[in-house]
Amino acid sequence: EAEVAQSPRYKITEKSQAVAFWCDPISGHATLYWYRQILGQGPELLVQFQDESVVDDSQLPKDRFSAERLKGVDSTLKIQPAELGDSAMYLCASKVAGEETQYFGPGTRLLVL
Amino acid sequence: GDSVTQMEGPVTLSEEAFLTINCTYTATGYPSLFWYVQYPGEGLQLLLKATKADDKGSNKGFEATYRKETTSFHLEKGSVQVSDSAVYFCALGGYNKLIFGAGTRLAVHP
Repeated sequence: EAEVAQSPRYKITEKSQAVAFWCDPISGHATLYWYRQILGQGPELLVQFQDESVVDDSQLPKDRFSAERLKGVDSTLKIQPAELGDSAMYLCASKVAGEETQYFGPGTRLLVL
Repeated sequence: GDSVTQMEGPVTLSEEAFLTINCTYTATGYPSLFWYVQYPGEGLQLLLKATKADDKGSNKGFEATYRKETTSFHLEKGSVQVSDSAVYFCALGGYNKLIFGAGTRLAVHP
């Protein structure tokens, strides 16, 4: 069964450093999402892509976060510089355009020291 | 804006007990409703969904009915197992983002 792949699974960094997360969606899924899940809370959308275009990045802290999906397939989320409050699980999800069900990857757990 | 409210956890049950996790929502349109489950250290897995009022979603013994009149989508299971221990998230959405509740942790002991 096809799955959303994410790497790394765990990342420990010091504040002010740069970090990057990678996501490979299920093949054929044109829509890709990045969510942030703070411990004890539900996931919240950071950015949504349709192919290579950003559909919604209204909740992305653009002073330090950036996301790209250059060829409309895999995607990278970057944080520079990382802050203590960025410690969270970063989840990638994908879906077929025009359908509702999103499929989630295993997530990258980030700890900023 | 749209929002989801779930009952606070943790919910602690004995094996074979009946489970209910309450979920209510506020939405301007007619969203689809979802239950996702998250096992320790893992991402979210879709458990079930319902796309319109009075629809019942079901999977692995879990059920939830989309109640428009009470704006609710409560999750139920007749007999829980230890392996059901996880965090359960109610969510609403459609063709764009999902809006999640805070999650309810379920612990089932033998």
